[in-house]
Formats: sequence, structure tokens, C-alpha cells
Amino acid sequence: QQQVKQSPQSLIVQKGGISIINCAYENTAFDYFPWYQQFPGKGPALLIAIRPDVSEKKEGRFTISFNKSAKQFSLHIMDSQPGDSATYFCAASNTGNQFYFGTGTSLTVIP
Amino acid sequence: GAGVSQSPSNKVTEKGKDVELRCDPISGHTALYWYRQSLGQGLEFLIYFQGNSAPDKSGLPSDRFSAERTGGSVSTLTIQRTQQEDSAVYLCASSLDMGLGGYTFGSGTRLTVV
Repeated sequence: QQQVKQSPQSLIVQKGGISIINCAYENTAFDYFPWYQQFPGKGPALLIAIRPDVSEKKEGRFTISFNKSAKQFSLHIMDSQPGDSATYFCAASNTGNQFYFGTGTSLTVIP
Repeated sequence: GAGVSQSPSNKVTEKGKDVELRCDPISGHTALYWYRQSLGQGLEFLIYFQGNSAPDKSGLPSDRFSAERTGGSVSTLTIQRTQQEDSAVYLCASSLDMGLGGYTFGSGTRLTVV
């Protein structure tokens, strides 16, 4: 049973465009929602995270939008750059327990 | 250390052999996790350790897989009688406490069973 569903599986965006990756979850006990960025040959690295008491969190060009009632959250990458090309994973956890990861989105930003 | 260290970075083994993968977490991190990432796939949870508590082994795919964590620090993931379907990248992560502040991942061990 996939605790966190992620889409799309792959995404191609022009340089300067907006990349949007979506995730949905079922367990209402989840209270921490991080996004990880993974480059080839490297482990995933924490990019940005949100807790359900806020609807949006922005860090530079990266924004998480969170919809508690719909049990959905998304990552928006503004002004996408070729250096953003990587695999992105969403995750969810109930503090004190393991993380559940989405299946990943391969993002390619075309110059 | 400054980050999570995993060794070896690459391992090629013959089918049926045993392998040991090592993870050295960030100093002071009490929680340690093992995940498996198959080519083009997501992160499959294997096992986690939290302090002195009994580990959660619920993600281990078969009894050929085992892991231990000595002295609350270094962890070893052992795969016995390796099979070709065990080929994957094995990722280790650690955190200050369960679920708080996110994980810090190592670069992984790429295991190839031939």
C-alpha cells in the first residue's frame, strides 16, 4: 500500500518555467512533509519541508503548497534552471515514526 | 563526521555470496535508517534503529536480510546468499530523532549481483 502517491513520474520544463510536482497522502496522522532532491550518484538531500499548521512555505525559488482538507501537497520550482534537473521525492511522517516516500519525479529543465 | 558515510560505494558480487554494507551516521544522531532504491524506483524502507530500542525490521524483504547497529553508531546491513533481484542502491540515513528535522542520507552503496 503506497502511503504517499506522487505525480508526475517525469517532467520536462523549459528554463525559466515553473515546475510543479504533486503528492497525496491518506494518513491524517502525518504531521511532517519534506521534499528531497536527488542528483545521480548521490543520496537524497532535504530541500524544503512543511508542517500542516501552514498552507505554504517558500524558500528561494522553492515553494510547498499544502492543502490539509484535500490531503495534498505540492512542490513548485519557480524560474526553473538546468541545475534543478534531478529526481524529487516527497515524503510524509508522523513525528516519531518512519518516513514514507513517494515514487519520485524525474525533472529535466531544458536550456 | 560531517555527513553520513557509506562503504563501499560500489560492490559487485556473485550470486549466492554474502555481502556486508556499512553505514557511519552523523555523530550524535540517534536514529538510523536503511532504504533500498532500485533503478528508477522510489525509496523502499528496510529497517530503522532508534537509540537502544528494538529495531523496526518490518521492511526487510526476506530473512536473507539483517542489520545491526553497534554501540548506537555504526550500522551494518548484511545480505546472505545474494540474488540478482537484490541489485540496487542501498541508502543509509540518520536523524537527530525519529521524524524530526528530516533525514540526512549517505551517497549509498550500489550493489550489483552477477
